[in-house]
Amino acid sequence: AQKVTQAQTEISVVEKEDVTLDCVYETRDTTYYLFWYKQPPSGELVFLIRRNSFDEQNEISGRYSWNFQKSTSSFNFTITASQVVDSAVYFCASPSDSWGKLQFGAGTQVVVTP
Amino acid sequence: DTGVSQDPRHKITKRGQNVTFRCDPISEHNRLYWYRQTLGQGPEFLTYFQNEAQLEKSRLLSDRFSAERPKGSFSTLEIQRTEQGDSAMYLCASTSIGVQGASYNEQFFGPGTRLTVL
Repeated sequence: AQKVTQAQTEISVVEKEDVTLDCVYETRDTTYYLFWYKQPPSGELVFLIRRNSFDEQNEISGRYSWNFQKSTSSFNFTITASQVVDSAVYFCASPSDSWGKLQFGAGTQVVVTP
Repeated sequence: DTGVSQDPRHKITKRGQNVTFRCDPISEHNRLYWYRQTLGQGPEFLTYFQNEAQLEKSRLLSDRFSAERPKGSFSTLEIQRTEQGDSAMYLCASTSIGVQGASYNEQFFGPGTRLTVL
């Protein structure tokens, strides 16, 4: 069975510091997708990024970047130059079957203070 | 595109009462999911619909829970004889299934309905 693990429960940083969130995904599947979602205090989950298991290139989109390493099953997400508006809970998730139902990690609370 | 909407946003009820939540997905989306999120945890899958057909229910969905999606548009989730353990955030998500399959497309979430059972 698949398992999504986010070991960090909370990360506190001062504005403009970088934040890296860890996610480990365990599966026997050879093809899979991984997602990062953000849940601000308002409660609505917001899709951030998607990565498939075929592509291990690191990418950058604005202040977000991610590092996917299939060999270690890690899918890490970095926020560069954090801002107060980045304060939220961040979830790593992956479809647990072909029907698309998502399996989420426990989430990491990011607190950015001015 | 108005996004996924859920009603009500908050519901406080007494143990033993029935409650019903509504979800309006993004109009062109044919797949609709319900999740439940308790404090400090990630969302957990409850059930999903492909158009009007309910295709799977989690073991978390006891006999007191029922979900419908008439005409493949909005969906309702009803909890009968609520218990204090039902207190949680109930999230609805929708997506459109394309040629790459259900696992590829991101799900769009509504703001959730927070249920408190006293």
